[in-house]
Amino acid sequence: DVKVTQSSRYLVKRTGEKVFLECVQDMDHENMFWYRQDPGLGLRLIYFSYDVKMKEKGDIPEGYSVSREKKERFSLILESASTNQTSMYLCASSEVAEQYFGPGTRLTVT
Amino acid sequence: GENVEQHPSTLSVQEGDSAVIKCTYSDSASNYFPWYKQELGKRPQLIIDIRSNVGEKKDQRIAVTLNKTAKHFSLHITETQPEDSAVYFCAAPPNSGYSTLTFGKGTMLLVSP
Repeated sequence: DVKVTQSSRYLVKRTGEKVFLECVQDMDHENMFWYRQDPGLGLRLIYFSYDVKMKEKGDIPEGYSVSREKKERFSLILESASTNQTSMYLCASSEVAEQYFGPGTRLTVT
Repeated sequence: GENVEQHPSTLSVQEGDSAVIKCTYSDSASNYFPWYKQELGKRPQLIIDIRSNVGEKKDQRIAVTLNKTAKHFSLHITETQPEDSAVYFCAAPPNSGYSTLTFGKGTMLLVSP
């Protein structure tokens, strides 16, 4: 059974702070993704990675960066958090087609 | 890139009725069309998908149809039950591959007993 975990379920940070969100998958998947989910906007892709140390921009990469040093771990970094980055962040992994999601991190930036 | 439009945004039905959610996509090269269900407070999970070489796929009470000429696909749920209440997302890849998906904005389905 695929397991995708995220480091925090809830996170509250202040404007300007550097924020790290971590995602770990245990199925040796090549592909990993970071989405943000906002009401009425669905799931929007921030960044994805096909392999270790490889990253590609998604649809809304501005204000974010990522790191993939190990195959099982994909980190999302907010260099300087802003209030408009308050959202639900979902990580996912896949081998071919089906994406398996983590439980999400609800980030509030005050 | 791929543009996926999903309708309706909300859908209320009585238990036992059928529900239909429709999506359109823009990239004619897309060849894989999954549907994800997200129950309240939970993660999205794949419930059914269809590839471009078939026009319809069924799994018990759910089915998906695909019209490649018109570039639209639909999710059909028959004999709805309260546990079908959730947000449903359609998706399509931006090209002929599978790795990334563009999601629709979601449909909140409410099934009333």
